[in-house]
Order: sequence, then structure tokens, then C-alpha cells
Amino acid sequence: NAGVTQTPKFQVLKTGQSMTLQCAQDMNHNSMYWYRQDPGMGLRLIYYSASEGTTDKGEVPNGYNVSRLNKREFSLRLESAAPSQTSVYFCASSRDGSLYGYTFGSGTRLTVV
Amino acid sequence: GENVEQHPSTLSVQEGDSAVIKCTYSDSASNYFPWYKQELGKRPQLIIDIRSNVGEKKDQRIAVTLNKTAKHFSLHITETQPEDSAVYFCAASNNNNDMRFGAGTRLTVKP
Repeated sequence: NAGVTQTPKFQVLKTGQSMTLQCAQDMNHNSMYWYRQDPGMGLRLIYYSASEGTTDKGEVPNGYNVSRLNKREFSLRLESAAPSQTSVYFCASSRDGSLYGYTFGSGTRLTVV
Repeated sequence: GENVEQHPSTLSVQEGDSAVIKCTYSDSASNYFPWYKQELGKRPQLIIDIRSNVGEKKDQRIAVTLNKTAKHFSLHITETQPEDSAVYFCAASNNNNDMRFGAGTRLTVKP
């Protein structure tokens, strides 16, 4: 039982490059989330998927897209990376919505130069 | 949307002392308030949570209190130990899938 698995752990991109962050959970959770963590700003929601087949924007969605591939997997795509997207990205899942505790992945440290 | 303020941003205590972290929220419809602990370089982990129908909850050395009228909630850690050193985040949610987090409190427990 791995919980929430994120790949990659580290990535350096040049401005304008694209990449996809992968996330998978094995807890049969319905809801999945992508957050970014910046110093002094806590965790900010980028996109979420309340259940398989649905996705919605969070607080800071600009510059990102997501795909809920199936119940287990939720990916985050940066189409044209910008230095402002340098951050630590966390995927999380919950049993069903935001009235349950989240299980977080180990994070992806992304640097855009 | 919901706005969560967290204080203090840093807190240093002596081992064995108590630590208190306070949060306020803006959306009166919020009804779920979790706390997460994040050790350096690690993922946030849920340590305790409270729902709006409860005023206080305890789990060993950790307790959380909620005042819905004043829209604030607090984390209390008693008999602190060096392994309690971490960043602690409060959060608030009203089941709109937009859980909002505070900016975090860096707790240092000095031996």
C-alpha cells in the first residue's frame, strides 16, 4: 500500500518547455488534488478532481492543465513553463471531497530557468 | 473564497513547554478544520482534525479547539519534544473541494 505516488521528485525546465507531473493513489479515493507550495504562502490549490471524470479549477489554475486518467491517476501538465512556476508541487487524495483528511504525495521540486 | 490566517509564523519553545498555534477563517460555512505537520523536505501529514459540531478534540499530547462564533481554531501541543519540530499548517473547508491552508508555523523545540 504505497498511498500517493508522485513522479518525478525533481525537475529542471527551461522557460517555454512543457512537462507532465504524474500522480497515482492506491487507496480507492474518489477525490484528487494538485497543490503548489511556495515559501510563506502555504499550499495553494491548482486543480482538483472531485470524482473520476470531473476536473475543476482551484485558486491558481493559470498556466496548468490536468487530466483524471482513471480513478487512480491524476496528472498535471505545464504547457509552457515560466519561472513563476518554480515551486514544490504536491498531489493529494481524499476519500470523498474536502471534508476528509488529505493524503499527500512526496512532492515534486520544479525549477524553471 | 475562504481565507485562512495563521499565527505566529515562527514559534520557539523549550522542550517540555506547551505550544499554541492559532488560525482564523473568513467563511462561516466552513465546517471541517484539519491540521497538518510537515517535517523538513517531507510531505504534509494529517495530525488531527475537528468538525464544526465539536468544540474540542484531543489525541494524546495534541488538542484542537474551535470557536465557530469567533471563527477561530487553535492547535495545542503539550509536553513538547524535539521531534515536534516541524512546520504546522491549519486548513478550513466547506466541502467545495477548495480547502484553504494557512501560511504555516515553523515550530522549533529546543532540547
